[in-house]
Formats: sequence, C-alpha cells, structure tokens
Amino acid sequence: EAQVTQNPRYLITVTGKKLTVTCSQNMNHEYMSWYRQDPGLGLRQIYYSMNVEVTDKGDVPEGYKVSRKEKRNFPLILESPSPNQTSLYFCASSFNQKGPGQPQHFGDGTRLSIL
Amino acid sequence: AQSVSQHNHHVILSEAASLELGCNYSYGGTVNLFWYVQYPGQHLQLLLKYFSGDPLVKGIKGFEAEFIKSKFSFNLRKPSVQWSDTAEYFCAVNGWRGSTLGRLYFGRGTQLTVWP
Repeated sequence: EAQVTQNPRYLITVTGKKLTVTCSQNMNHEYMSWYRQDPGLGLRQIYYSMNVEVTDKGDVPEGYKVSRKEKRNFPLILESPSPNQTSLYFCASSFNQKGPGQPQHFGDGTRLSIL
Repeated sequence: AQSVSQHNHHVILSEAASLELGCNYSYGGTVNLFWYVQYPGQHLQLLLKYFSGDPLVKGIKGFEAEFIKSKFSFNLRKPSVQWSDTAEYFCAVNGWRGSTLGRLYFGRGTQLTVWP
C-alpha cells in the first residue's frame, strides 16, 4: 500500500531535549516536504526536498533541521525544541515538483507538545 | 511570498444545502491549484486539482471547483452536502516554475459543519 509513514504519532517532551520525527515513503517519490499545522493558520511549509541531498527552506524553517540522505526518508530534527514548536506536523511526498498537477500525499501527522 | 485566502473560516449548513467555499490566491504565474480535505483526526486527502484545460474540475465525493484566472479564484462547490462532509477544507496553490518551484502554499482552512 502506498503510504507516507511518520513516527512518532504523538510526543510530549520538554524544552531543549533534541528530538527527531521520522518520515518514510514507499512510492519512490523524489519530492518530500514537512509542514506544521496550527489552528487558524492552516499548514505552513517548514522544509522541502526536491531530491536526495537537495533541501531548501519553506516559510517557517527556524528551529528545524532536515536531511535527505536516502530517497525514501526525510527526518525532521528539532535540536533544541521550544514551546512555540508545539504543533501538528505533517510529512508529504510527491513524484516530483517539476511539472504540472503533482499532488502531495500526506502522512497521518505527528502531534508534538513541548513543555 | 505567495498568499492564499479562504474567505470563510467556519461554515455551518444543513444536510442537502449547497456549498461554495471561496479561495483566492496571489501568484500571477502558472499555477497548480488543489483542494484538500481533512476529516477529524486524519491526514489531508486530495479532493481535486487543476493545472490546465477545462476550468471546471470534478473531484471525489461530488465536489467540483471552478478556476477563474481573471479573478485568481478557485472556489469549491457541492450541490448537496451530507453530514459526512463535516471536515476542514484547505485550498492550496503551487507554481512549478521559477522561484515557487517546490513550494506549496495553503489557505488557513474552512471548517465545514453539516447538521443532519
């Protein structure tokens, strides 16, 4: 089954404790992206990757890191989480973004609470 | 940065009522336009998309949307809503050329509540 898998689904942690949210897709997609969803703000793009070893900033990259060493994985790293990073996070992927009409497939989301 | 505006934050309808959700975007170049739906506790699912051709596009579950280039709009419609359409709806835009390549811009979402 084609899917985007995020782990963990829920995490409560404390300020300053490094954490990683993993994202894996089994569709051989070139493009992957991370979003955060906050009430009243919709989804905002954090980072995206057009292909292996190619990453770029979205609208809200501060406080986050990503890496794309393999095609299927795109982890999101919070080196020193802070309470304002409490949010619902979605990973997404698509075949590529080089042509028209490429919808993104979303994972089930990771709800992070930073105390 | 590009922007996407959804005019209605919360829409409440009775079953069988007609629905129209507004979406306007600011990007003037070649765009892809999407409507996604998010049912409670679930991830986003694609309802429909437009990238070229007939400006009236049909999606899943009886939804359709009309692209009006002169108005930078991509409004979502459904002639008769059902209780199961209760969800949050997001309009999204991306350009697949130039500086917007790889970027996807979302509106703030419209919460639709349908009463049985």
